[in-house]
Amino acid sequence: GQNIDQPTEMTATEGAIVQINCTYQTSGFNGLFWYQQHAGEAPTFLSYNVLDGLEEKGRFSSFLSRSKGYSYLLLKELQMKDSASYLCAVYRVTGGGNKLTFGTGTQLKVEL
Amino acid sequence: DAGITQSPRYKITETGRQVTLMCHQTWSHSYMFWYRQDLGHGLRLIYYSAAADITDKGEVPDGYVVSRSKTENFPLTLESATRSQTSVYFCASSPSSYRDPGAGQYFGPGTRLTVT
Repeated sequence: GQNIDQPTEMTATEGAIVQINCTYQTSGFNGLFWYQQHAGEAPTFLSYNVLDGLEEKGRFSSFLSRSKGYSYLLLKELQMKDSASYLCAVYRVTGGGNKLTFGTGTQLKVEL
Repeated sequence: DAGITQSPRYKITETGRQVTLMCHQTWSHSYMFWYRQDLGHGLRLIYYSAAADITDKGEVPDGYVVSRSKTENFPLTLESATRSQTSVYFCASSPSSYRDPGAGQYFGPGTRLTVT
């Protein structure tokens, strides 16, 4: 089976740094995605990790440890518009093609 | 317009009725996907398609039917709607293959379906 765990909710202050963790246990692993989803909108792609280590993209960074089944998304210089749900998803290549299995998401609230 | 679109955006139907949700993408992406999103469950894969005329079941396929006669369209049909199928449905497309997974999946705006 596939098991992906994220905290349900987090609260942080504007201008601060927040780390959203994701742990996974899946049958097969070919990479890990992070998506952002604002309320009532579609998920949008943030980052992709396939190798261990940190990938940095502006204010957002994502880290992966394959041996530990662990990833985190780091958001710096938080802005009010960063209030959204953050979805961790494991990418697997199966006999039928490529698939994403999503965690339930972490609802981030940014406060003044 | 370029991109991925879904129709209708909102739909209310009655139990037992057949409903078809449409998905159209203009990128000529090979892969297309249907997800449902419910509180407490996150996004769950219903069906996916690797190319025209190739479809396969995802995690929660029961009660749904798909077809893909053209690369750009991937309709999802609820043959006999039930209240448990009340959800937000997202269509997605991807150019990804195992050689280039980093492109990710691009999601449509979603269809909010209510079954009464």
